Amino acid sequence: DVVMTQTPVSLSLAIGQPASISCKSSQSLLGTSGKTFLNWILQRPGQSPKRLIYQVSKLYSEVPDRFSGSGSETEFTLKISRVEAEDLGVYYCWQGTHFPDTFGAGTKLELK
Amino acid sequence: QVKLLQSGAALVKPGASVKMSCKASGYTFTDYWVSWVKQSHGKSLEWIGEIYPNSGATNFNEKFKGKATLTVDKSTSTAYMELSRLTSEDSAIYYCTSSSNWGQGTLVTVSS
Repeated sequence: DVVMTQTPVSLSLAIGQPASISCKSSQSLLGTSGKTFLNWILQRPGQSPKRLIYQVSKLYSEVPDRFSGSGSETEFTLKISRVEAEDLGVYYCWQGTHFPDTFGAGTKLELK
Repeated sequence: QVKLLQSGAALVKPGASVKMSCKASGYTFTDYWVSWVKQSHGKSLEWIGEIYPNSGATNFNEKFKGKATLTVDKSTSTAYMELSRLTSEDSAIYYCTSSSNWGQGTLVTVSS
């Protein structure tokens, strides 16, 4: 199975600061279709996961544009330009290129 | 809007089975795969398997073959997952996800 490695494990940031989370995969996530099925989801405390980004950099319609995703092959990054209170929770990267789907261990964003 | 409404928490004895549901609304149920994901307490996410409602086709993570059975009822737009021969290792929150949306989760506790 593809191993997804996220860093850092946790982030403690003040409102308004930028955030950056790295996700590295043990194999290239570029699929035979030419698409890269790397997603980001956010699990707020006590809630189920919510969609954020799909195919590396595409934001779902309800996601604020302070979020962005980038990367290719085996290295990916989620960035938040200015952290807001509603952004706290655990961020997971998730690959769907190789069977079975696998998730990173998560990065916990806490507010200072 | 898209909703995935999961059944309530279950307390089950070791060795027994449990069947949980995921009722979809707000989109064409038969057009999207429904996946199931396990989240053990305080841990990351594991992909269990998926079912295509239109045909009933399934794919399973090797780890969960023989443990999970996936079915659907197209008439009610509901997906089901049954877990068998439960042990304490099966105590977890189980999520359904489809069309990039997530249910609220079903907590399963295995205890005598």
